[in-house]
Amino acid sequence: GENVEQHPSTLSVQEGDSAVIKCTYSDSASNYFPWYKQELGKRPQLIIDIRSNVGEKKDQRIAVTLNKTAKHFSLHITETQPEDSAVYFCAATFGNQFYFGTGTSLTVIP
Amino acid sequence: DAGITQSPRYKITETGRQVTLMCHQTWSHSYMFWYRQDLGHGLRLIYYSAAADITDKGEVPDGYVVSRSKTENFPLTLESATRSQTSVYFCASSEWDSYEQYFGPGTRLTVT
Repeated sequence: GENVEQHPSTLSVQEGDSAVIKCTYSDSASNYFPWYKQELGKRPQLIIDIRSNVGEKKDQRIAVTLNKTAKHFSLHITETQPEDSAVYFCAATFGNQFYFGTGTSLTVIP
Repeated sequence: DAGITQSPRYKITETGRQVTLMCHQTWSHSYMFWYRQDLGHGLRLIYYSAAADITDKGEVPDGYVVSRSKTENFPLTLESATRSQTSVYFCASSEWDSYEQYFGPGTRLTVT
């Protein structure tokens, strides 16, 4: 199966600063890489995703980059706001299955 | 999000008991998934289903049974619950031609 590692496990930033979360994966056949945001007590929600034929994707303050050669992808959040505080999960596909990272708890300090 | 629901939302059961967690989606999505979420492990896939009557094992299937007689329902049964199965369980669904998964609200299960 796939192995997805996510770093850091916790991250604190000042409001307005940028946050970067990194994930590595093991299966070179993986072709879809979503990022989910989970607020306390809530369900995971997709915030951005990228396919293996694309190197970067942006959606307002959120961007994801993918390096297929190195088998890593990253989530970038710019101009962070307190409502960005949550746990973020990366995932990589293995066939029809998702393998998730262990999560990053992001705290944005006002 | 209201299109995928789980019941019960909270459940306390005793070791050795059988318990069934329900998942229902109104989108007619082909794929449905069951995950468990534990601290330090993120989300791990238990079972998934590509269509009615088609199911397959995920990363951590031991101790669980699934069925899918109708497209909209995907129940998860713990045949003999153990304390290690205390967790939050999420159901998810996706269209046949899309990787994007939509998650249900979760069921918090405690096995005493």
